[in-house]
Amino acid sequence: GEDVEQSLFLSVREGDSSVINCTYTDSSSTYLYWYKQEPGAGLQLLTYIFSNMDMKQDQRLTVLLNKKDKHLSLRIADTQTGDSAIYFCAESFSTGTASKLTFGTGTRLQVTL
Amino acid sequence: SAVISQKPSRDICQRGTSLTIQCQVDSQVTMMFWYRQQPGQSLTLIATANQGSEATYESGFVIDKFPISRPNLTFSTLTVSNMSPEDSSIYLCSVEDGLRQFFGPGTRLTVL
Repeated sequence: GEDVEQSLFLSVREGDSSVINCTYTDSSSTYLYWYKQEPGAGLQLLTYIFSNMDMKQDQRLTVLLNKKDKHLSLRIADTQTGDSAIYFCAESFSTGTASKLTFGTGTRLQVTL
Repeated sequence: SAVISQKPSRDICQRGTSLTIQCQVDSQVTMMFWYRQQPGQSLTLIATANQGSEATYESGFVIDKFPISRPNLTFSTLTVSNMSPEDSSIYLCSVEDGLRQFFGPGTRLTVL
């Protein structure tokens, strides 16, 4: 089966950069995603990257993909207190009729003043 | 992006009862998905619901326990049947919109 691993917790100071890491085991994934979940809320899609890309930047977010090592990271520049949340990476597999997501364990990001 | 709503947002239920969760999307979508997020855990896919056909369940989930309806392209329901405290979770529906999956706000279920 597919396994997607993340570190459980990350603490950063406001204004610093945050880097959240994710490793996956199945190289046949087509897309990789980052979602944000704030307390008591659903999942918000932050960004995604196609599996044949190395990097994608979207405002304060930078996604890096190392396919050889099956490693995905999300960098948040100038981290703010509003970025405090749980971040999930997910990989997508096409079943022919639908794309199924397998989620990582989630990383809780705490932003301190 | 698709806008998804779920009802109820939360509920407290007695063991042995059933709860039906509704998911409404503001646009027509082919595939809808139901996920479970147990306390402090990640998301696990329960089933995929395609309009006009039976839902496809993932390993560990069965139709008798989690019956799903998909009557049209904008609506689906998930029923959690004969509930036990182990069913206490957040249940989320999601839709596929091109390359992306968007999620509803979730239904927080507590079973006593």
